Amino acid sequence: AQKVTQAQTEISVVEKEDVTLDCVYETRDTTYYLFWYKQPPSGELVFLIRRNSFDEQNEISGRYSWNFQKSTSSFNFTITASQVVDSAVYFCALSEMRQGNKLVFGAGTILRVKS
Amino acid sequence: EAGVTQFPSHSVIEKGQTVTLRCDPISGHDNLYWYRRVMGKEIKFLLHFVKESKQDESGMPNNRFLAERTGGTYSTLKVQPAELEDSGVYFCASSQGSRGAPYNEQFFGPGTRLTVL
Repeated sequence: AQKVTQAQTEISVVEKEDVTLDCVYETRDTTYYLFWYKQPPSGELVFLIRRNSFDEQNEISGRYSWNFQKSTSSFNFTITASQVVDSAVYFCALSEMRQGNKLVFGAGTILRVKS
Repeated sequence: EAGVTQFPSHSVIEKGQTVTLRCDPISGHDNLYWYRRVMGKEIKFLLHFVKESKQDESGMPNNRFLAERTGGTYSTLKVQPAELEDSGVYFCASSQGSRGAPYNEQFFGPGTRLTVL
């Protein structure tokens, strides 16, 4: 069965702190994709990253970095030197090859960055 | 290029009434998806269209929900009659490709917030 768990319901940090958002997934498929989306206060879901199951290389994009570890079924997201504009709800999601493009989302983590 | 648009942005109705939500995908996107988030829980898949055909409607909660995509362009999601538990945010997403391959990015609309009183 597909499942995505984001155990952190809400995180509050002070600006310039680093913060890591956890994501643990369950899948029986060998070919799958993992995603992170950001939902700012305006409400839309903004795509941040996609990772396929055969690529465990960590990725860095500016202040964002992602750590994909198949051994622990985790796909954690770290924001370095957080800023107030990073305040949003962050969703981790999974799609399996055999389930088409259907996304299975975690419950989301609310990130509050205070100045 | 315009993104995915949804109408209305908010809707407040009473239990038993009917509501129709509309989604306009990005032009040229064959795949259209409906998702919803109820009361701060996870976002859940409702259904997937490929052009005008329903590819997967396994997430539709019950027969009070009816989705259509006539002509393979915009889609509507009708809830009739609405119940209290239908309250939530309904998202629409679209992606390229005729088969909805897993690697095709889904672009999401801003959502419609539905409140059933």
